[in-house]
Amino acid sequence: GAVVSQHPSRVICKSGTSVKIECRSLDFQATTMFWYRQFPKQSLMLMATSNEGSKATYEQGVEKDKFLINHASLTLSTLTVTSAHPEDSSFYICSAAPGGRRNTIYFGEGSWLTVV
Amino acid sequence: GENVEQHPSTLSVQEGDSAVIKCTYSDSASNYFPWYKQELGKRPQLIIDIRSNVGEKKDQRIAVTLNKTAKHFSLHITETQPEDSAVYFCAASEKSSGDKLTFGTGTRLAVRP
Repeated sequence: GAVVSQHPSRVICKSGTSVKIECRSLDFQATTMFWYRQFPKQSLMLMATSNEGSKATYEQGVEKDKFLINHASLTLSTLTVTSAHPEDSSFYICSAAPGGRRNTIYFGEGSWLTVV
Repeated sequence: GENVEQHPSTLSVQEGDSAVIKCTYSDSASNYFPWYKQELGKRPQLIIDIRSNVGEKKDQRIAVTLNKTAKHFSLHITETQPEDSAVYFCAASEKSSGDKLTFGTGTRLAVRP
């Protein structure tokens, strides 16, 4: 079946630095990918919609200058957390689906970010 | 935008009993309702889904019902087993907005042996 791969699975960074997380669709093209954030014991909250070849669409309350999204190809979207702070520590997970109305949504493995 | 509420937040059942988790949604345009099982630190796993043209769907011990008029849908797990213990999330999506999912708040299910 279709696979969405995310990298890295775990990352620790220092406060003030930036970290990039990649989301790849391995066997299908995805014009749209979605980035979610999940704090411990909470639900998945949509951060933004990543659009291939155009600007991402951010949900209300999500700072676009802090969470940079680039979707330069049909199989890769990246999320860069800039000037990371401890409160950005979270589980970040992406999703994508092959084209078509009835296709399954696939999630990446998720990335644990710890900012120290 | 869409708002999905989920109840209960925690549920403990004896092995072999049934478990029911309920969700309500606010956007009448939503037409796709998946249920996910998530284990700690892992990606959500789709366990069953239902589309708005169907009122009920069953897959072995798992069933989902949808009431479009009332805007609520429920997950039913029968003959629960300890390996069913996990956090379950409902979600809603309107296909015209792509595959963007709005998740419920989650239910932590514990099945006691």
